[in-house]
Amino acid sequence: SQKIEQNSEALNIQEGKTATLTCNYTNYSPAYLQWYRQDPGRGPVFLLLIRENEKEKRKERLKVTFDTTLKQSLFHITASQPADSATYLCALPLHSGNTPLVFGKGTRLSVIA
Amino acid sequence: EAGVAQSPRYKIIEKRQSVAFWCNPISGHATLYWYQQILGQGPKLLIQFQNNGVVDDSQLPKDRFSAERLKGVDSTLKIQPAKLEDSAVYLCASSLAQGLKGEKLFFGSGTQLSVL
Repeated sequence: SQKIEQNSEALNIQEGKTATLTCNYTNYSPAYLQWYRQDPGRGPVFLLLIRENEKEKRKERLKVTFDTTLKQSLFHITASQPADSATYLCALPLHSGNTPLVFGKGTRLSVIA
Repeated sequence: EAGVAQSPRYKIIEKRQSVAFWCNPISGHATLYWYQQILGQGPKLLIQFQNNGVVDDSQLPKDRFSAERLKGVDSTLKIQPAKLEDSAVYLCASSLAQGLKGEKLFFGSGTQLSVL
């Protein structure tokens, strides 16, 4: 089954800078990868999906890349704001094919004004 | 559109007691998931339902955990008897239908369980 590493437990950045979060996976290459945001005391909220044939996906200030050679996804937040402070989780299918998602531990982002 | 509803919001029990959590997914969502999230960890899948049938329960500790979705709508997750290590947030999620690769999940706010 898939294993996921989000290699920063916590990331602190200054307001206005670009935050870059990393998600690495082992084993097979998934057909897609998702990113979620989780605020304290709340469930995760879906942000972006990127498929294996897509190199990059953008949504407003968010950008996700997917490198199947490196087995890595990068999640960028440009012009970061204190309101972006949250935990960000990446998620992949548990097995090859269309199977339930397995989540990484998440990276807690703090944007300092 | 109403979101995924879960209750109770918090629950405190002593070890060896029983506890049940309830989830009502978004209307029309065929697939329902229960995830366990221990503090500092990502959500871990316990069970997935498609309508009222179990699709994946490979990570459900079946000696103490059980779940049902009898009418294909709301669902109940039970722990009997609870252990200290069951202290976690239990998240329910739903999606429109499995079959579309990459379908996003909608999560409830979870039930925070403390086992003393």
